Amino acid sequence: GESVGLHLPTLSVQEGDNSIINCAYSNSASDYFIWYKQESGKGPQFIIDIRSNMDKRQGQRVTVLLNKTVKHLSLQIAATQPGDSAVYFCAENRAGNMLTFGGGTRLMVKP
Amino acid sequence: NAGVMQNPRHLVRRRGQEARLRCSPMKGHSHVYWYRQLPEEGLKFMVYLQKENIIDESGMPKERFSAEFPKEGPSILRIQQVVRGDSAAYFCASSPSEGGYTFGSGTRLTVV
Repeated sequence: GESVGLHLPTLSVQEGDNSIINCAYSNSASDYFIWYKQESGKGPQFIIDIRSNMDKRQGQRVTVLLNKTVKHLSLQIAATQPGDSAVYFCAENRAGNMLTFGGGTRLMVKP
Repeated sequence: NAGVMQNPRHLVRRRGQEARLRCSPMKGHSHVYWYRQLPEEGLKFMVYLQKENIIDESGMPKERFSAEFPKEGPSILRIQQVVRGDSAAYFCASSPSEGGYTFGSGTRLTVV
């Protein structure tokens, strides 16, 4: 669901560990999903995307998993680095070109 | 390729004034989208435009807000008679067609 003025959930990991960030989406008709990274004071930056006809997609150090049965999306970051510290948003494409964003998760990487 | 350019980066307006936010899409992109972000929240869709056309404005407040994307020049998001609740970060994105969004760095509007 969407956050309503609440503080963002925070995931704190040790540098070098793997991170898993989760997202639930609401519309079973959504056919395209994207993960974005947003650093303080900046716009969202594309990380990886996946279409609904896939259940897994890998990039460089990142993997996105899609479970359509339970409408769940996850982002896995391998060997997390301090530069990965940011807020991560999932977004779904419901209709036309409009994206609907989730509430975000703050990732903090401890050196 | 300069990316999506938004200006100004920061804008301060007194209550009742007008705010104009500009967005120049990436070269070759004909689709522009505006989103609003409140602190600690995700981005909320406002409006989707193509050159000289508003395609979807379902996220735009019915009053005081308007957007345009003229044949020449940047897209403009205009907020008339601003109120404190309009304070937010406003992000523009562009794409060549479906998907392939690229976001700008945003304009942070503060209403005092």
